[in-house]
Amino acid sequence: DAGITQSPRHKVTETGTPVTLRCHQTENHRYMYWYRQDPGHGLRLIHYSYGVKDTDKGEVSDGYSVSRSKTEDFLLTLESATSSQTSVYFCAISGTGVTGYTFGSGTRLTVV
Amino acid sequence: GIQVEQSPPDLILQEGANSTLRCNFSDSVNNLQWFHQNPWGQLINLFYIPSGTKQNGRLSATTVATERYSLLYISSSQTTDSGVYFCAVGILSGAGSYQLTFGKGTKLSVIP
Repeated sequence: DAGITQSPRHKVTETGTPVTLRCHQTENHRYMYWYRQDPGHGLRLIHYSYGVKDTDKGEVSDGYSVSRSKTEDFLLTLESATSSQTSVYFCAISGTGVTGYTFGSGTRLTVV
Repeated sequence: GIQVEQSPPDLILQEGANSTLRCNFSDSVNNLQWFHQNPWGQLINLFYIPSGTKQNGRLSATTVATERYSLLYISSSQTTDSGVYFCAVGILSGAGSYQLTFGKGTKLSVIP
């Protein structure tokens, strides 16, 4: 979607290295989310943010940290990547009140 | 947490046929959305529908919140409808956001 971009789109990294994925939005939405998608599991929430510097854990947060220093940017960091973190990562945004989610195009991460 | 079950898991249709996808959820929710993931992996929001009925072209959705299910109808299917359809539900959090829980999806293949 034009209002939300993820970078990089693809990344291959080695086990044990730190990795940071970026989500950038131009919609000025308050809420931002990181999900991972794996075969057989659908999408699962990793972390979310409800404002600048306000974040909380989701269902599968172990091994991940996040930061939000500006409204438009939400960073997901894998502190020490493991093969089990090979996945497709999606960022989503939503506004205040009754609104739906808008997803970014995803980042395909491979940990070797 | 909330459980979301989608059926059928797989569906093959001849172009022009109609179909109904079902989503059952285990608890009362404030938010229910339907998404389409196209073969290139992009997630598109189809409907925000916590209750009632909505229509958008050949697609329509109905949610019966009191009975904890939602239905997505696709009429006169086209090959471009192929992909995976996800139902996602959520409850309003104290921070004002909805952390969505996704079902595992229905994979639709429309053949010419």
